[in-house]
Amino acid sequence: GESVGLHLPTLSVQEGDNSIINCAYSNSASDYFIWYKQESGKGPQFIIDIRSNMDKRQGQRVTVLLNKTVKHLSLQIAATQPGDSAVYFCAEVGNKLVFGAGTILRVKS
Amino acid sequence: GAGVSQSPRYKVAKRGQDVALRCDPISGHVSLFWYQQALGQGPEFLTYFQNEAQLDKSGLPSDRFFAERPEGSVSTLKIQRTQQEDSAVYLCASSLLGSSYNEQFFGPGTRLTVL
Repeated sequence: GESVGLHLPTLSVQEGDNSIINCAYSNSASDYFIWYKQESGKGPQFIIDIRSNMDKRQGQRVTVLLNKTVKHLSLQIAATQPGDSAVYFCAEVGNKLVFGAGTILRVKS
Repeated sequence: GAGVSQSPRYKVAKRGQDVALRCDPISGHVSLFWYQQALGQGPEFLTYFQNEAQLDKSGLPSDRFFAERPEGSVSTLKIQRTQQEDSAVYLCASSLLGSSYNEQFFGPGTRLTVL
């Protein structure tokens, strides 16, 4: 079946540095992906999305890269801030959302 | 405006008890989704409503799980004869239109602990 594989690592970065969070997916037919941020005690919050006809999309301080050849997504956060500390999930959108397991981002001041 | 709200925020149940979890979606949102999130995992789809119609319940883990949205707004997820493996955070999300491609707005979740 389809799956979005994201083991649960922890990424620790220094405030002001850039962060890169990675995600692998398995369904090559997927055409839409979303990155979510989830803070403790809250539901996931939409960050940025990308469709499969693009390989890069930029938002405010965030960039998503999509490599369809190797079925890989990444989320880049520029100038990481303490408020960016959270768990980040990629999700594959079909007739339902399929989430990966998440990456914990810790920002050290 | 108000976002998606869920109640209770925390629920402790003894094994075998029935529980009911409530979701108040954003007013006017057509679609409503329920997810189960185990500790350290991403949310997993349970079921989907478009207005009052339950269009997909493929993610419900057993017949002990039942969801309804009788008037197309508030939804209730009911779990009968709770088991320890039901312990998780139950998330509700709503979206304006009737497609998973529309942005889903999540509530804070209900943390269920089954003892």
